[in-house]
Amino acid sequence: EVQLQQSGAELGKPGTSVKLSCKVSGYNIRSTYMHWVNQRPGKGLEWIGRIDPANGNTIYAEKFKSKATLTADTSSNTAYMQLSQLKSDDTAIYFCAMDNNYGFAYWGQGTLVTVSS
Amino acid sequence: DIVLTQAPLSVSVTPGESASISCRSSKSLLSSKGITSLYWYLQRPGKSPQLLIYQMSNLASGVPDRFSSSGSETDFTLKISKVETEDVGVYYCGHRLEYPLTFGSGTKLEIK
Repeated sequence: EVQLQQSGAELGKPGTSVKLSCKVSGYNIRSTYMHWVNQRPGKGLEWIGRIDPANGNTIYAEKFKSKATLTADTSSNTAYMQLSQLKSDDTAIYFCAMDNNYGFAYWGQGTLVTVSS
Repeated sequence: DIVLTQAPLSVSVTPGESASISCRSSKSLLSSKGITSLYWYLQRPGKSPQLLIYQMSNLASGVPDRFSSSGSETDFTLKISKVETEDVGVYYCGHRLEYPLTFGSGTKLEIK
């Protein structure tokens, strides 16, 4: 069974960074792309970017190019996303999702990031 | 970027009746490989999204056949037959034709 286990809720101060993790079990992340999606309070889904864990290649949505940094550790089968220069409008739930070539078939449970001083 | 426009914003359905949700794309979602890159997701309250439909009309694993989807290159419809209380949530269409990937703004399904 494929499972994506995300790290716990984060409280970050404005101007600081947080690093979220997404550990995959039941599937080798070298064989897939790992995506990140956010959802601001009461809003819809927004794609942030994706990483190819096999080679580290990344693609970002334009608005997240200087906000998010995606990495992956194939030895631990874990994907990471660092969010930098936090602002209040970065407050959101962040999901990791695995693309099996047939859409986002697997999702993590989400990590709530709250930005507050 | 591809814009996906969903309608209606919300729908209220009596259990046992049907519901339809529309998704319109600003660009053809037909890929060079002949695949229509349109996906439907359901996000139940407080939960992560789950995949319902892939490549416009294919049911994802474990999804009941009360769900169906059809469309053209730019206009798509998700139909839910015999709605059940467990179908409550927000439905999103999405594409993976090109980057950036985008989603529709969502349609909230409620039970009368």
